[in-house]
Amino acid sequence: AQSVTQLDSHVSVSEGTPVLLRCNYSSSYSPSLFWYVQHPNKGLQLLLKYTSAATLVKGINGFEAEFKKSETSFHLTKPSAHMSDAAEYFCVVSGSRSGGSNYKLTFGKGTLLTVNP
Amino acid sequence: KAGVTQTPRYLIKTRGQQVTLSCSPISGHRSVSWYQQTPGQGLQFLFEYFSETQRNKGNFPGRFSGRQFSNSRSEMNVSTLELGDSALYLCASSYRGAGDTEAFFGQGTRLTVV
Repeated sequence: AQSVTQLDSHVSVSEGTPVLLRCNYSSSYSPSLFWYVQHPNKGLQLLLKYTSAATLVKGINGFEAEFKKSETSFHLTKPSAHMSDAAEYFCVVSGSRSGGSNYKLTFGKGTLLTVNP
Repeated sequence: KAGVTQTPRYLIKTRGQQVTLSCSPISGHRSVSWYQQTPGQGLQFLFEYFSETQRNKGNFPGRFSGRQFSNSRSEMNVSTLELGDSALYLCASSYRGAGDTEAFFGQGTRLTVV
């Protein structure tokens, strides 16, 4: 079975300071990993995805994540937070025993990011 | 291009009733998957359809069912509603299937069961 654990349910940062949202995954094969963002009253938007091409993945809005197999981690970072980054962030895993997609996304519980002025 | 459209946006139903939610995917996308989002359980996978066939199903009771039409539009149905079915139901559209190709989400249908 595959699963993800988001280590912090709430992260609070000041505008202009770095953001770190932590995610650990569990999978018996090489998974596909994603970060999604959900703004209030809006649908989920894909920030970035890892599919084994490169361990450092760059996404939209200045976010990036690094896949570390030895640590089973996929932490999301951004050098400088902006007020508009305030939202809920989900770490997501997908995959199957054969290594392909099972067309099912397994979501972490989410991390609420607050950005203070 | 138009995004994923879910209707209705809000619903209030009484315990014991049934409800049907609709999802129109992005044009050209053949995969539609459904998720339930609640404060306690987070986002949970319900089922996924591709070309009118269910390819994967989550761990939900049989009261939850779905289907997909030839134009890729999908509906999900919940029968004999319970208070615990109150949730945001999200639909995701993708070309070949979520996890394989990018999944685009609709804004959801907020179901309240009273």
